[in-house]
Amino acid sequence: EVRLVESGGVVVQPGGSLRLSCAASGFNFDDYTMHWVRQAPGKGLEWVSLIKWDGGSLNYADSVKGRFTISRDNSKNSLSLQMNSLRIEDTALYYCAKSGDYYDRSGSHYFDYWGQGTQVTVSS
Amino acid sequence: FILTQPHSVSESPGKTVTISCTRSSGSIANNYVQWYQQRPGSAPTVVIYEDDQRPSGVPDRFSGSVDSSSNSASLTISGLKTEDEADYYCQSFDNRNHEVVFGGGTKLTV
Repeated sequence: EVRLVESGGVVVQPGGSLRLSCAASGFNFDDYTMHWVRQAPGKGLEWVSLIKWDGGSLNYADSVKGRFTISRDNSKNSLSLQMNSLRIEDTALYYCAKSGDYYDRSGSHYFDYWGQGTQVTVSS
Repeated sequence: FILTQPHSVSESPGKTVTISCTRSSGSIANNYVQWYQQRPGSAPTVVIYEDDQRPSGVPDRFSGSVDSSSNSASLTISGLKTEDEADYYCQSFDNRNHEVVFGGGTKLTV
């Protein structure tokens, strides 16, 4: 059974930093691209970042570029998101999501499994 | 590019509803389109991937299609059930910027 369990979400002041983690199990972690997706309260889904299976390619949404850093540790089946210079508009539920496309072969970039999310609140 | 969805749709149980997702620039056929269902308080789940593929466990009442003439994708749900009431999001990939793109979401009321 595929499981994605996020952790690390807390209340933090504007300008602060936070590190989110995602523990993955039930699949060959190093065969798949992994993503972070967020959802602000009452709003839609917003893609945040992706990291390819070998960590060799990283991409970010413009809204977080230069402030967030995605990483993975394939030896520990874990995904992380380092969040710096946090803003009020970063307040959201952050989901870890697994690509459903083995080694990105089809180029579909879809998500077949999602975690339950971890809440990040940026507030003074 | 932007993916535009209607903010909300409403239909009666047993009927058929279609939700559209229009791509603002570039051909809709350039990249696969996916559809996700999100019930209140739950994480999204994929109901259609790669334009028209249905994951195992998703009822065949759900179908997806792409229309190049309108540069849009559609999710059709037939035989509507009250349990289909949820938010639905389309999603694709921007090859130029290497970014995932989501539509704004459509609230389906049954």
